[in-house]
Amino acid sequence: SQQGEEDPQALSIQEGENATMNCSYKTSINNLQWYRQNSGRGLVHLILIRSNEREKHSGRLRVTLDTSKKSSSLLITASRAADTASYFCATDAFSGLVDALNFGKGTSLLVTP
Amino acid sequence: DGGITQSPKYLFRKEGQNVTLSCEQNLNHDAMYWYRQDPGQGLRLIYYSQIVNDFQKGDIAEGYSVSREKKESFPLTVTSAQKNPTAFYLCASSMRTDLRETQYFGPGTRLLVL
Repeated sequence: SQQGEEDPQALSIQEGENATMNCSYKTSINNLQWYRQNSGRGLVHLILIRSNEREKHSGRLRVTLDTSKKSSSLLITASRAADTASYFCATDAFSGLVDALNFGKGTSLLVTP
Repeated sequence: DGGITQSPKYLFRKEGQNVTLSCEQNLNHDAMYWYRQDPGQGLRLIYYSQIVNDFQKGDIAEGYSVSREKKESFPLTVTSAQKNPTAFYLCASSMRTDLRETQYFGPGTRLLVL
């Protein structure tokens, strides 16, 4: 079963606006990762945040983690058309047959010029 | 260039046919993975390997087989037993054997049934 659930499923904004997507999970984690997938391509790792961290930045990306609410958010500031992609969170919480990363269904982000 | 390559980009399978998807990495990573992605869905783990000559089933291994004869190669065979093979297949690798580490993905292979 999938551990992380992203919200919203789809998001449409204009260039220059900020985009916020959320990820909720069910059980305790050691770390949470965010990945981006351009249409028809593989996933690209964006950022990893550990359970003892509350906030992390990387360029225009800001990730927060609230372990008490079992949720994380990814903020993309000053969005660009090139940010159009699907964004997935992945947690390391065991929820299937294998103790490996569990990916959510993703948020599809469309940034229009 | 370092990275993960997958081939072919598109693959067509006829009824009752086995097909093999290639995955090669030159990152010297220990672990390799195969995922299946269906439209609007997340990734589901098919098989993984943490060391040469060893591999383990993931959550949806039925109808698939793999081998890991070399560290850099992890081919996936979609057998005729897989009744719904149409999907986007992603190969990934991670540096060490911890399955929860950051993963690096190939560009994917789209498998279609004729």
